[in-house]
Amino acid sequence: EAGVTQFPSHSVIEKGQTVTLRCDPISGHDNLYWYRRVMGKEIKFLLHFVKESKQDESGMPNNRFLAERTGGTYSTLKVQPAELEDSGVYFCASSHARTGLPSTDTQYFGPGTRLTVL
Amino acid sequence: GEDVEQSLFLSVREGDSSVINCTYTDSSSTYLYWYKQEPGAGLQLLTYIFSNMDMKQDQRLTVLLNKKDKHLSLRIADTQTGDSAIYFCAESLMNRDDKIIFGKGTRLHILP
Repeated sequence: EAGVTQFPSHSVIEKGQTVTLRCDPISGHDNLYWYRRVMGKEIKFLLHFVKESKQDESGMPNNRFLAERTGGTYSTLKVQPAELEDSGVYFCASSHARTGLPSTDTQYFGPGTRLTVL
Repeated sequence: GEDVEQSLFLSVREGDSSVINCTYTDSSSTYLYWYKQEPGAGLQLLTYIFSNMDMKQDQRLTVLLNKKDKHLSLRIADTQTGDSAIYFCAESLMNRDDKIIFGKGTRLHILP
């Protein structure tokens, strides 16, 4: 079974440009999460999709960030316009069920996209 | 508030035990986790413990939880070179287990 995949693995853009990150969750996983790790800091939750609906977007930093999950499969995270402080590693995770038990709710993480804004 | 703290670096000789410590602030934690990130790879869930447990052992890994002190530790017995990675302590909260709160990660370096 393929794991969570993310594209691109690394993106370097200039301040003011737009970047779109993509996440393909594990097939059949309804839950999809975005997290971000800014250099030297903790990994922070951004948002959570259940299928195509945003369940919780409390971690989204500001309105320059837009996440979508049309059709409830893959998700995109667009940053427009990018700022220097957006640099970091963006992780995507997916999980199958929502039973409250880590054994079934385990979030499987992708390798991350490293975003560098110059 | 929600805060998870852990030291940033740990060096251990191959064959010795590694102990990575973590403290958290929120008393409503339901599950506490240890994730491992190897270079270029995603986060791998190593183990987790329910907040009403004191200890969990899984092969070379031992997790100890002191709920009174809000202290979590991960002990890796007989540390190998393949254990070199960043280890993240994390928690999920009661009624909010869709969101995992992570520490900054401890980089474990193995000395020959």
